Amino acid sequence: GNSVTQMEGPVTLSEEAFLTINCTYTATGYPSLFWYVQYPGEGLQLLLKATKADDKGSNKGFEATYRKETTSFHLEKGSVQVSDSAVYFCALSDRPLSNDYKLSFGAGTTVTVRA
Amino acid sequence: EPEVTQTPSHQVTQMGQEVILRCVPISNHLYFYWYRQILGQKVEFLVSFYNNEISEKSEIFDDQFSVERPDGSNFTLKIRSTKLEDSAMYFCASSEKWGTTKNIQYFGAGTRLSVL
Repeated sequence: GNSVTQMEGPVTLSEEAFLTINCTYTATGYPSLFWYVQYPGEGLQLLLKATKADDKGSNKGFEATYRKETTSFHLEKGSVQVSDSAVYFCALSDRPLSNDYKLSFGAGTTVTVRA
Repeated sequence: EPEVTQTPSHQVTQMGQEVILRCVPISNHLYFYWYRQILGQKVEFLVSFYNNEISEKSEIFDDQFSVERPDGSNFTLKIRSTKLEDSAMYFCASSEKWGTTKNIQYFGAGTRLSVL
């Protein structure tokens, strides 16, 4: 079956520090990969996505590259801000025969950025 | 920006009671989902719904659970007889259509269900 393994938190950083959150996956098909973010009191928001190998998703200074050879989709940001404090979820959507695109999530990583 | 709305934000109930969690998906979306997250655990898929019927459901989604789209805007999750282990954050999501470029699932803020 499909699964996502995500770096455990919590992660605490100073402003302008480099952030990386590791994510690896197992899937039976050809998954699409996602990073969702949850700010305090809000729902899950799509941060970025990649739909095939070697694609790079990017948004708000965050990047992640779909690495099929290492089955990874690590999230990075070069200089974090206090406003990046949130919980980050790695997720995948596979293409089973049923054509259903349910998401399989990692456990989430809580990131706190201090001023 | 359109958003998925969930009500209530927090529901407290007694074990054995029925609860209905409500969601208003984005208006032009056709595919609907429920997920849940037990405290400290992963977000788990419960059920997907399209064209007024269940597309797929997980092992969690047993006979105690049901979903309904009673009108053109609401999408509900009913738990008939709640158990302590049903305590979790429940997320509703919707997406426009199938396909890797269009199947972006938009999530609500969640309903925290506490079963006492």
